[in-house]
Amino acid sequence: NAGVTQTPKFRVLKTGQSMTLLCAQDMNHEYMYWYRQDPGMGLRLIHYSVGEGTTAKGEVPDGYNVSRLKKQNFLLGLESAAPSQTSVYFCASRFNTGGNTEAFFGQGTRLTVV
Amino acid sequence: GENVEQHPSTLSVQEGDSAVIKCTYSDSASNYFPWYKQELGKRPQLIIDIRSNVGEKKDQRIAVTLNKTAKHFSLHITETQPEDSAVYFCAASRGGGFKTIFGAGTRLFVKA
Repeated sequence: NAGVTQTPKFRVLKTGQSMTLLCAQDMNHEYMYWYRQDPGMGLRLIHYSVGEGTTAKGEVPDGYNVSRLKKQNFLLGLESAAPSQTSVYFCASRFNTGGNTEAFFGQGTRLTVV
Repeated sequence: GENVEQHPSTLSVQEGDSAVIKCTYSDSASNYFPWYKQELGKRPQLIIDIRSNVGEKKDQRIAVTLNKTAKHFSLHITETQPEDSAVYFCAASRGGGFKTIFGAGTRLFVKA
């Protein structure tokens, strides 16, 4: 039981390049999330998904796209990377139990856009 | 929109002293308040949570209090140890809701 796994752990991109971050969870969670973490700003929600085939925008969605083709995977795409997207990205997942429950986080992806 | 404010942003205490971190939330429908600890270079992990039907919850050296009327909640760490040094995040979410809103984080330093 690996929990939540993110790929890759580190990446350096040039401005304008594209990339996809992969999040995989083996806990059969319905809800999955992508956050970015910047100094002094906490964890800001980019996009989220409440089930396979569904996605929704969070607080800071511009410049990102997501897909949830399989329940266990949630992909975050950057079509044309910008230096402002330099950040640490965290994926998280949790159960849908009707109430609110603990979120389990991946280990993070440190992305630098130069 | 929904907002969670967290104070202080940095806190330095002597080993053995207590540490208190405070958060306020804006969404009166919020009813679940988790606290996460993030050690340097690691992922955030839940350390304690509280639901709106209780006013206080304790787990060994950690306690959380909730004042629904004032819309604020606090984390209390007693007898701090160097391994408590980390960034702590408070968060709030509403029942049946999908989103959890995080505070900006508090960096706690425990000096030996």
